[in-house]
Amino acid sequence: AQKVTQAQTEISVVEKEDVTLDCVYETRDTTYYLFWYKQPPSGELVFLIRRNSFDEQNEISGRYSWNFQKSTSSFNFTITASQVVDSAVYFCALSEAQNGNQFYFGTGTSLTVIP
Amino acid sequence: EPEVTQTPSHQVTQMGQEVILRCVPISNHLYFYWYRQILGQKVEFLVSFYNNEISEKSEIFDDQFSVERPDGSNFTLKIRSTKLEDSAMYFCASRDSRWDYEQYFGPGTRLTVT
Repeated sequence: AQKVTQAQTEISVVEKEDVTLDCVYETRDTTYYLFWYKQPPSGELVFLIRRNSFDEQNEISGRYSWNFQKSTSSFNFTITASQVVDSAVYFCALSEAQNGNQFYFGTGTSLTVIP
Repeated sequence: EPEVTQTPSHQVTQMGQEVILRCVPISNHLYFYWYRQILGQKVEFLVSFYNNEISEKSEIFDDQFSVERPDGSNFTLKIRSTKLEDSAMYFCASRDSRWDYEQYFGPGTRLTVT
């Protein structure tokens, strides 16, 4: 079973539209971290945010915001007023305290922002 | 700001050859990881390393793979006899302590096996 599911494989939006990338995770651990990474065409993984399982506060950073809901095991990522530079593959990842802290990545969502 | 570095950025090798991918983790970090990403797919865990030994490995990490921390700064991944399906991006990551869950990823090495 997948520990991290990103059901949206590809999304295309027109510049300035808002877009939400979904992430659903599965864990029995009570202590865990969730992450979002951006992977531009150059291939590196760019860290965006981490959240621990005890902190359900939503976070906003500029045009980015994250909605963490333990009740639905979701950690969704919204980009407001999207820009062409946001075009990339976005990965959600889970790290569990009980499992050696290896990262479990989702399959990624490829976002294309059309000018 | 300290960062994880990896060399080379791109390696091309022939099937059957041995390759060594090198990583320099952040200096005071204690936990080290290798991940693999086949083109167009998700990032997959290969192995974790702590206290000079492997702490966990995935099914992908078979006898063809080995890791080493030869000199206290480098962390290497060796593939003994490369196959076409080993072509992928390989990411190294390091983590500070038992209580810090964040892993810091290197920029990756793109391995192409021909």
